[in-house]
Amino acid sequence: AQSVAQPEDQVNVAEGNPLTVKCTYSVSGNPYLFWYVQYPNRGLQFLLKYITGDNLVKGSYGFEAEFNKSQTSFHLKKPSALVSDSALYFCAATDGRRGSTLGRLYFGRGTQLTVWP
Amino acid sequence: GAGVSQSPSNKVTEKGKDVELRCDPISGHTALYWYRQSLGQGLEFLIYFQGNSAPDKSGLPSDRFSAERTGGSVSTLTIQRTQQEDSAVYLCASRLKGLAGRTDTQYFGPGTRLTVL
Repeated sequence: AQSVAQPEDQVNVAEGNPLTVKCTYSVSGNPYLFWYVQYPNRGLQFLLKYITGDNLVKGSYGFEAEFNKSQTSFHLKKPSALVSDSALYFCAATDGRRGSTLGRLYFGRGTQLTVWP
Repeated sequence: GAGVSQSPSNKVTEKGKDVELRCDPISGHTALYWYRQSLGQGLEFLIYFQGNSAPDKSGLPSDRFSAERTGGSVSTLTIQRTQQEDSAVYLCASRLKGLAGRTDTQYFGPGTRLTVL
């Protein structure tokens, strides 16, 4: 079964400190990996994605993520957190196999990031 | 440009009633997805539309759920004889390309919050 895991329900960091939100995946084929952010009462906003190539992917609002195939991980990072980064973060993956539902996303359970001043 | 829009933003209904949720995808996007976000289940895939092809309904939880997409654009998700466990946020997403677009980003609407009393 395809799955994405976010082992931490909550991450708390002080403003200005680096942050990491963890994600691991178990998806067949060559997965495509995504990070989305959700603010209260809003839909999901796309942050970044890994398709192929460079393992370090840069995205919106200063976020980046590192793809590690051997550890099947795709952790989200930011060098210096802002209070405005506080939100719910979702990691997602697509099934890389041919014939699977095209582009269907498998989501982690989400990680609530809180950045305090 | 305009993003994915959904209506209504909130819907409160009584158990046993039917509801219709609407999604307007980004203009020109050929792929459309419905997902459900609930406290107990996280984000679940429901159904996928691609152009004029038959939809992939593999994620629909029961035969009370159905969806259609008219003219390759607007989609309606219908839930018949609603149950309390149907209470959730229903999210719609669209993606630009079709069969060759597995790697394209899905863009999400703000969601419809459904409450079944």
